[in-house]
Amino acid sequence: AQSVTQPDIHITVSEGASLELRCNYSYGATPYLFWYVQSPGQGLQLLLKYFSGDTLVQGIKGFEAEFKRSQSSFNLRKPSVHWSDAAEYFCAVGAQWNDMRFGAGTRLTVKP
Amino acid sequence: GAGVSQSPRYKVAKRGQDVALRCDPISGHVSLFWYQQALGQGPEFLTYFQNEAQLDKSGLPSDRFFAERPEGSVSTLKIQRTQQEDSAVYLCASIPGDSGAYEQYFGPGTRLTVT
Repeated sequence: AQSVTQPDIHITVSEGASLELRCNYSYGATPYLFWYVQSPGQGLQLLLKYFSGDTLVQGIKGFEAEFKRSQSSFNLRKPSVHWSDAAEYFCAVGAQWNDMRFGAGTRLTVKP
Repeated sequence: GAGVSQSPRYKVAKRGQDVALRCDPISGHVSLFWYQQALGQGPEFLTYFQNEAQLDKSGLPSDRFFAERPEGSVSTLKIQRTQQEDSAVYLCASIPGDSGAYEQYFGPGTRLTVT
């Protein structure tokens, strides 16, 4: 069965520190892969996506993610976190729009 | 340009009441999706329209849930005889095409609380 796992429910990092949010998936083939960010009271905003090609994907706000087929992972990274990055982050996978699966999310807190 | 809008942003309903949630997708977007996001969870797919055709409603949790998009633009998600377990944020998203590698554009959601 298709599934997405975000192992970390809550992560706290200091401002300026690096960040890595984990995402593992189970899917029959290589799906489309996404990372979204959700601020309180807001909808989801796309940070980056992987459809094919280069496995290191650059996104908005200085985020990047690396697709590792052998590990079924698509981890999100940022070299230096800003206070405005505090939000909920969701990994999503799917090969068709009606079978998109979202992880349960990782809440990021940024310490000053 | 305008993004996806949803109304109302917040809705409180007494158990047993009917509610209607509206989604205005980005103008010209062919496909529209509804998701349910329970507290502390990621969004879960409910249903999907391509223009006015509802192509998939497999995620609707019960026959109390009904969605329509009669003119291929605005969509309404209706929940009849609301139950407490229906309390969630309902998200709408749209994409410009009917398939392929498009980015989904999400609205801000409607937070439904059933008391």
